[in-house]
Amino acid sequence: GNSVTQMEGPVTLSEEAFLTINCTYTATGYPSLFWYVQYPGEGLQLLLKATKADDKGSNKGFEATYRKETTSFHLEKGSVQVSDSAVYFCALSFTQGGSEKLVFGKGTKLTVNP
Amino acid sequence: GAGVSQTPSNKVTEKGKYVELRCDPISGHTALYWYRQSLGQGPEFLIYFQGTGAADDSGLPNDRFFAVRPEGSVSTLKIQRTERGDSAVYLCASSPPAGELFFGEGSRLTVL
Repeated sequence: GNSVTQMEGPVTLSEEAFLTINCTYTATGYPSLFWYVQYPGEGLQLLLKATKADDKGSNKGFEATYRKETTSFHLEKGSVQVSDSAVYFCALSFTQGGSEKLVFGKGTKLTVNP
Repeated sequence: GAGVSQTPSNKVTEKGKYVELRCDPISGHTALYWYRQSLGQGPEFLIYFQGTGAADDSGLPNDRFFAVRPEGSVSTLKIQRTERGDSAVYLCASSPPAGELFFGEGSRLTVL
């Protein structure tokens, strides 16, 4: 089946620290991979995505590389800010029955302190 | 508005009652999705509409759950005989053809 496993939180960092949130997946076929972010009081937003092996998605200083050999899509940022405090979800998409579905991990809550 | 709008934002009901949750997608988005997010979990797929028809309802947990989208825009998720286990945040998302999903803020349902 299709599933996503991501690092359990919560994660607490100081401003300017390096961030890694691990994500691995199990999938039949070749899914697209995503990171979504949910800021306090807001809806889920797409942060970045990668559609094939070795692709790197990037946005707002965050990066993740689609690694087929390790079935991973780890999220990284070199220097986090207080405004990055949010819940981060790793997800994959696959097509079934004519619809494209997203399968999400459980989410990792990040708190960045000044 | 510019984004996906969901109402109510919070709903508290008693076990056994009927509940309706509404989703107003972004104008022009043909695809509409419902997901359910239980506490401490990621969102889980419930149902997908392409236009007016439910193209995939394989995620609905049982026949107490039903969703409609009669005019291809607004959708309503209906839950009959609610149970405590139905308590969750219900998320709606819409997308243009082959495009990114845009999520609403969700409707938090609490069944007492």
